[in-house]
Amino acid sequence: SAVISQKPSRDICQRGTSLTIQCQVDSQVTMMFWYRQQPGQSLTLIATANQGSEATYESGFVIDKFPISRPNLTFSTLTVSNMSPEDSSIYLCSVDFASGTGREETQYFGPGTRLLVL
Amino acid sequence: SQKIEQNSEALNIQEGKTATLTCNYTNYSPAYLQWYRQDPGRGPVFLLLIRENEKEKRKERLKVTFDTTLKQSLFHITASQPADSATYLCALRGSTLGRLYFGRGTQLTVWP
Repeated sequence: SAVISQKPSRDICQRGTSLTIQCQVDSQVTMMFWYRQQPGQSLTLIATANQGSEATYESGFVIDKFPISRPNLTFSTLTVSNMSPEDSSIYLCSVDFASGTGREETQYFGPGTRLLVL
Repeated sequence: SQKIEQNSEALNIQEGKTATLTCNYTNYSPAYLQWYRQDPGRGPVFLLLIRENEKEKRKERLKVTFDTTLKQSLFHITASQPADSATYLCALRGSTLGRLYFGRGTQLTVWP
C-alpha cells in the first residue's frame, strides 16, 4: 500500500483562526483528494487537487474557506480558514494509484488530521 | 444523486461466526465497488475492490460479492475475530480513477 503521511495528526484551534494540513505521499501521483469526516458521518469529498491546475471543489465547499495547494506530484496542503466549531472534523487526504504502478488500482488514504475548534 | 446505504449502523457477532455486511446503492452505475476498514480516529484502510463484471472476490477470510442487477454488494468476514471489530465502509466509483462515494459505514463488534 501507499505511504501517505499527514501533519498535524491532531490539533485544537480557536474560533476564527486558520489551520494548514499537509499531505505527503511516498511516490508521484496525479490525483489527490481531500475529504472531511464529521463525527458519526461518512466521508465527504471537499476537492480534487491535480498538480499544475486549480483544485476542483465539490458543491458546498469554496476556495476561500478551504484553499488548497498542490506544488508537486507528492505533496498537497489544505487550509481550513476562519474556523468555527462546525469545522471540527477529521480531514483526510487520499491518492489514486493507476495500473502499472505496482499497487492495486484504488484509492489510499492518509491517517487523517483530527481537528477540534473551540 | 447517488445514494449508498449500508445495512445497519452496528452489527454484533460472536467470535468464529461469519459477519455479513450489506451495501445497497441507487441512482448510480459504478464500475468499481470497494470496501474499507476504519478504526476510530484513523483513515480508511483499503480491503478489497470488485469490478462490475466480477461476481465475487476473495482475500484470505474476506469475500465480496457484487450484484449489479440488485445494486448490492455483500461483504463477508469468515471465522471472525475480536480484532476484526471496526467500522467497514462501502465506496463506489464510476471509473478507474476519480472520486469515491461512501456509505456511512457499519460498525462491527466481534465479542469473544
